[in-house]
Amino acid sequence: GENVEQHPSTLSVQEGDSAVIKCTYSDSASNYFPWYKQELGKGPQLIIDIRSNVGEKKDQRIAVTLNKTAKHFSLHITETQPEDSAVYFCAASTTGNQFYFGTGTSLTVIP
Amino acid sequence: ETGVTQSPTHLIKTRGQQVTLRCSSQSGHNTVSWYQQALGQGPQFIFQYYREEENGRGNFPPRFSGLQFPNYSSELNVNALELDDSALYLCASSLDLAGVDTQYFGPGTRLTVL
Repeated sequence: GENVEQHPSTLSVQEGDSAVIKCTYSDSASNYFPWYKQELGKGPQLIIDIRSNVGEKKDQRIAVTLNKTAKHFSLHITETQPEDSAVYFCAASTTGNQFYFGTGTSLTVIP
Repeated sequence: ETGVTQSPTHLIKTRGQQVTLRCSSQSGHNTVSWYQQALGQGPQFIFQYYREEENGRGNFPPRFSGLQFPNYSSELNVNALELDDSALYLCASSLDLAGVDTQYFGPGTRLTVL
């Protein structure tokens, strides 16, 4: 099955700086890559997603890039704010049902 | 808020007992997926239901079972609870199986097995 690796496991940045989280996947058939933000005591919230026919997608301060050849995708958050502090998960899917998640990145934005 | 609701919020059971968790999908969504999230880990896929039929199952034993009802709400049942079953159980709903569809998660049910 698919294996998704996520790095780093923890990330601390100063407010206003950028944060980058990277994921790799193993199954070349994966074609959908969502990113979720999970705050303490809550379920994961979709923040951005990308499909395999697109190399980059941006939504305000958040962007995702996908390199199908290298089988990796990244989340970029610019101008970070304290409310961006949370755990972020990447995921990959091939079939439409099973999402394979990374192990998460705990992001702390220091005011 | 996604519109996906789960009940109960928290649950404490003892080893060997049985538990039922419930999920109401977002309006218009016909597919529900269940995930187990252990502390400090990413969600692990348990199974998915599409139009009341199981459609895919992860690496979980048969004591994990489910149902989907005509209104697309769903239940997760776990028999013979083990200590390792302690986790956050998440359900996610999506619109259709045509291609890969975005899954929207509920807040989860925190299960503690003593």
